[in-house]
Amino acid sequence: NAGVTQTPKFRVLKTGQSMTLLCAQDMNHEYMYWYRQDPGMGLRLIHYSVGEGTTAKGEVPDGYNVSRLKKQNFLLGLESAAPSQTSVYFCASRLVAGGPYEQYFGPGTRLTVT
Amino acid sequence: LAKTTQPISMDSYEGQEVNITCSHNNIATNDYITWYQQFPSQGPRFIIQGYKTKVTNEVASLFIPADRKSSTLSLPRVSLSDTAVYYCLVGRSGYSTLTFGKGTMLLVSP
Repeated sequence: NAGVTQTPKFRVLKTGQSMTLLCAQDMNHEYMYWYRQDPGMGLRLIHYSVGEGTTAKGEVPDGYNVSRLKKQNFLLGLESAAPSQTSVYFCASRLVAGGPYEQYFGPGTRLTVT
Repeated sequence: LAKTTQPISMDSYEGQEVNITCSHNNIATNDYITWYQQFPSQGPRFIIQGYKTKVTNEVASLFIPADRKSSTLSLPRVSLSDTAVYYCLVGRSGYSTLTFGKGTMLLVSP
């Protein structure tokens, strides 16, 4: 199993450009999450999904959109990038039923907006 | 969701035992305590979860007193590779999301 993978690993955008970050998981997990991590801020939840075809807003959703058309994929879109969106983006997934609250994280995408 | 408070940073030396305490005064009856570890340039990874008393695995031990208003993550005989940020989270398995907070930066020196 590859676990959680993220594409791309690095990206530089100019202000106003758009892009899509792809998250894929091969563990048949129901829940998927997008976080951003800035220096000194810890992890902040952007959007999440509790199943195929569903999405919900997290703590910092403005400026981002998401889609979960397939269970294994969770896409994060930036329609018009801003310098404030410069950050490291992490995707995560987890099983629904029982067990510990264990999220599996991807390696991250480092995005710079100039 | 219960709010957690933990030290911003801690320093230790190789071979020492490190204890990181997390305060969660308004923990609910059905809440569990979960700890994650994050190495530089990597995503966090789950290390341990507990409800009460003591839980131990191959990585760490988690001590939870009877009132459950705090918990202590214990790392035995740390090495340089244990340098990481440690996050304490509180919530139920049924919750869709949990808040990570800023965590505790543990620096292990030779």
